[in-house]
Amino acid sequence: NAGVTQTPKFRVLKTGQSMTLLCAQDMNHEYMYWYRQDPGMGLRLIHYSVGEGTTAKGEVPDGYNVSRLKKQNFLLGLESAAPSQTSVYFCASSYYTGTSSVDEQFFGPGTRLTVL
Amino acid sequence: SQKIEQNSEALNIQEGKTATLTCNYTNYSPAYLQWYRQDPGRGPVFLLLIRENEKEKRKERLKVTFDTTLKQSLFHITASQPADSATYLCALVTGGFKTIFGAGTRLFVKA
Repeated sequence: NAGVTQTPKFRVLKTGQSMTLLCAQDMNHEYMYWYRQDPGMGLRLIHYSVGEGTTAKGEVPDGYNVSRLKKQNFLLGLESAAPSQTSVYFCASSYYTGTSSVDEQFFGPGTRLTVL
Repeated sequence: SQKIEQNSEALNIQEGKTATLTCNYTNYSPAYLQWYRQDPGRGPVFLLLIRENEKEKRKERLKVTFDTTLKQSLFHITASQPADSATYLCALVTGGFKTIFGAGTRLFVKA
């Protein structure tokens, strides 16, 4: 099993450009998440999904959109990139536990995004 | 405001010693607390989970304690090895689908 994979690994954008980050998991997990990690700060939740076709906002959703058209994929979009979105982005997934995501999260390797 | 604090300064210890990392939180009532390991350039990897009604959890050389009165968790690595050098993240699960992560503590184990 590949686990959680992310595409691309690195990307440089100019302010105002758009892009989509792709996350894929082959563990048949119901829950998927997008985080950003900045120096000196913990992982911050951007958006999450509890199943195919459903998404919800996390702690820092502004400037991002997501879609979960297929259970195994979770896409993160930046419509108009800003320098403040320079960060490392991690996707994660976890099992369905009935009421909450208390089980461990499986993380992808991350995407390092720089916005100039 | 809600806060999770982990030592921002790196912890340097000698091989064979016990490393102890601290996670303090305020204004949360977590149901669960998790610890993850993160190596440079990689995503976090889950290590241990402890529930609010558990005082202590062990896994091989790892031990986690959870004191809901002190609002603190301690993470111990016994007989530490250079391969244990990494950043360790604590994470609170308060319910629902949101996990709150600390910024992590870097551990360096010298041979």
